[in-house]
Amino acid sequence: DQQVKQNSPSLSVQEGRISILNCDYTNSMFDYFLWYKKYPAEGPTFLISISSIKDKNEDGRFTVFLNKSAKHLSLHIVPSQPGDSAVYFCAASEGAGSYQLTFGKGTKLSVIP
Amino acid sequence: DSGVTQTPKHLITATGQRVTLRCSPRSGDLSVYWYQQSLDQGLQFLIQYYNGEERAKGNILERFSAQQFPDLHSELNLSSLELGDSALYFCASSAEFSRAGAYGYTFGSGTRLTVV
Repeated sequence: DQQVKQNSPSLSVQEGRISILNCDYTNSMFDYFLWYKKYPAEGPTFLISISSIKDKNEDGRFTVFLNKSAKHLSLHIVPSQPGDSAVYFCAASEGAGSYQLTFGKGTKLSVIP
Repeated sequence: DSGVTQTPKHLITATGQRVTLRCSPRSGDLSVYWYQQSLDQGLQFLIQYYNGEERAKGNILERFSAQQFPDLHSELNLSSLELGDSALYFCASSAEFSRAGAYGYTFGSGTRLTVV
């Protein structure tokens, strides 16, 4: 039973446009939500996170939105750049002190120049 | 370079064999985590060690075991290998009080295991 779901395996976006990556979750105990980015032959790297008490967190070109009632979050990248092409994983934890992250299957983003 | 070192990068072995994957955490990090990424799957948590002791266990098969040594490096042992064990195995590390649940942890580049 997948507790974190990324239903779009892939997404293609033109350079300069907005990329929106979506994630749904089922576990109401999740308290933090994280996004990781992964390039080929590298490990995942932390990108941005959001606490369940917030509905938005922004870091430069990256913004994560959380809709707790819908158990849905999204990552917006504006403007998208070719270097953003990677696999993006959504992850969740049951608290800052919880060390186990539950990951989705990932969405492969391709930014077309 | 994330600071988390995993060796070997690639491993090909036959069914029924046993292999050992090695991980050196970032300097100063006390926690080590192991994750498995099978084809078309997300990263599945296997096990966490903190300063030499097992802290949390996920969906780790009985054929798999891990340990963390006094120098804080960790090894993941996979035995009686099956074709379905072919996957990317990632190690990650975090510092004490790092609030890893909020800010994540640092991953190595993984070991790709192929069982033939």
